[in-house]
Amino acid sequence: SQTIHQWPATLVQPVGSPLSLECTVEGTSNPNLYWYRQAAGRGLQLLFYSVGIGQISSEVPQNLSASRPQDRQFILSSKKLLLSDSGFYLCAWTSGSWNEQFFGPGTRLTVL
Amino acid sequence: RKEVEQDPGPFNVPEGATVAFNCTYSNSASQSFFWYRQDCRKEPKLLMSVYSSGNEDGRFTAQLNRASQYISLLIRDSKLSDSATYLCVVFAGGSYIPTFGRGTSLIVHP
Repeated sequence: SQTIHQWPATLVQPVGSPLSLECTVEGTSNPNLYWYRQAAGRGLQLLFYSVGIGQISSEVPQNLSASRPQDRQFILSSKKLLLSDSGFYLCAWTSGSWNEQFFGPGTRLTVL
Repeated sequence: RKEVEQDPGPFNVPEGATVAFNCTYSNSASQSFFWYRQDCRKEPKLLMSVYSSGNEDGRFTAQLNRASQYISLLIRDSKLSDSATYLCVVFAGGSYIPTFGRGTSLIVHP
């Protein structure tokens, strides 16, 4: 069966510090991968998605970036965090054929 | 107009009640539809896909109305454990990009 991992589960970072969040998927190949952010009390905002290694599409302009160095690995990064980057970051995957998305447990980021 | 709209609620219902949520979408090219459940401070979890002919899974029934461009979720015999936020998700045909509604909050009380 497929599983999706995210770490860390929680993170507290100072403004201006770098960020690296990692997501890995097991039990499938060639998944479509997604990064979302959910601010407190808000809906899900799609940040990036990827349909293959090295292929990244950005949905919103921001100081975040994403990379997909391996088929089942998706990384979200920032060089300098802003207060507004605080939120719940979720990674998700779908198979190529179906749009059913499966989410990782998320990383709760607080920028102080 | 937002692409996918949901009544945020909260819907406050007693145990055993039947409750229904709607989700409207604006893109007539939408092809894939899903309902997710999200518990407080947790990730969304797939509840059910929505098929053109409608589908049922236990106490949950999902329906699609293409003419009026909405999907619905009906929950029968509500349980305390059904308390959560219910998100609808829509994909346009051939698109990898989902559009999420903001969710409808359900509170089931004793």
